[in-house]
Amino acid sequence: DIQMTQSPSSLSASVGDTITITCRASQGINSWLTWYQQKPEKAPKSLIYAASNLQSGVPSRFSGSGSGTDFTLTISSLQPEDFATYYCQQYNSYPLTFGGGTKVEIK
Amino acid sequence: QVQLQESGPGLVKPSETLSLTCTVSGGSISANYWTWIRQPPGKGLEWIGYVHYSGTTNYNPSLKSRVSISVDTSRNQFSLKLRSVTAADTAVYYCARDGDTVGLFDYWGQGTVVTVCS
Repeated sequence: DIQMTQSPSSLSASVGDTITITCRASQGINSWLTWYQQKPEKAPKSLIYAASNLQSGVPSRFSGSGSGTDFTLTISSLQPEDFATYYCQQYNSYPLTFGGGTKVEIK
Repeated sequence: QVQLQESGPGLVKPSETLSLTCTVSGGSISANYWTWIRQPPGKGLEWIGYVHYSGTTNYNPSLKSRVSISVDTSRNQFSLKLRSVTAADTAVYYCARDGDTVGLFDYWGQGTVVTVCS
C-alpha cells in the first residue's frame, strides 16, 4: 500500500493568511493526487485533482503543486469558510489511500 | 444532478454483518465504478472497495476477508456487506461515484453513521 503522510496535522491561522499543507507519498504516484476539504458532518469535497488542477467552482485562492512523492496545497488569503479539515488522496494504485488530515483552525 | 443516498441499520451487534445500500438517482448506475469509503469517529478516511456495474469488484486488502460489494442495476443501487464486525468498524460510511478517472470521486452520499455495540 502507498502511505500518504500529511503535515502538519493541525494549524491555527487568521483570516487573510496564506497557509501550506504538505502531503508525501511513500512511493511515486506521478500526479495522481487529489485534495479534499471536509467540514463537520459533511462528505469530503474535492478541491484539486491531478495534483494541480482546480475543480470547477473552487475559488482560485486554492492551488496545488507537486509530482512524484511530494505535494502541497496552498490556500491564499484564508476566508472564514476555509476553516475545515483537508485530506490528500492518491489514486495512482489500489488500495486507494488518504493522508491523515490537516485541521485548519481559527487563531 | 446525480445524487447518492446511503441507507441501512445504524446499530449493529458485534460479530454480526453490517449491511448498507446506496441508492443512485439522477443518473444510471450502469456506467462508472461505485465505491464505499468509511471514516471512524474523529479519524481519517479509509477506502473500502468498489463495484463496477458489470459486477467487477476490488477491495481493500485490510478488509477483503470480510467485505463484499454488489450492484443491482434494476434498482439503481449498490450494497456493502461487512461480516464479523467489531467496535473498530464503527464509522460514518459513505458511498461515492468514481468519475471519468477511476479513483477520483465526483459525487458522494451524505454518509450514514454505523455503530457497532451490543
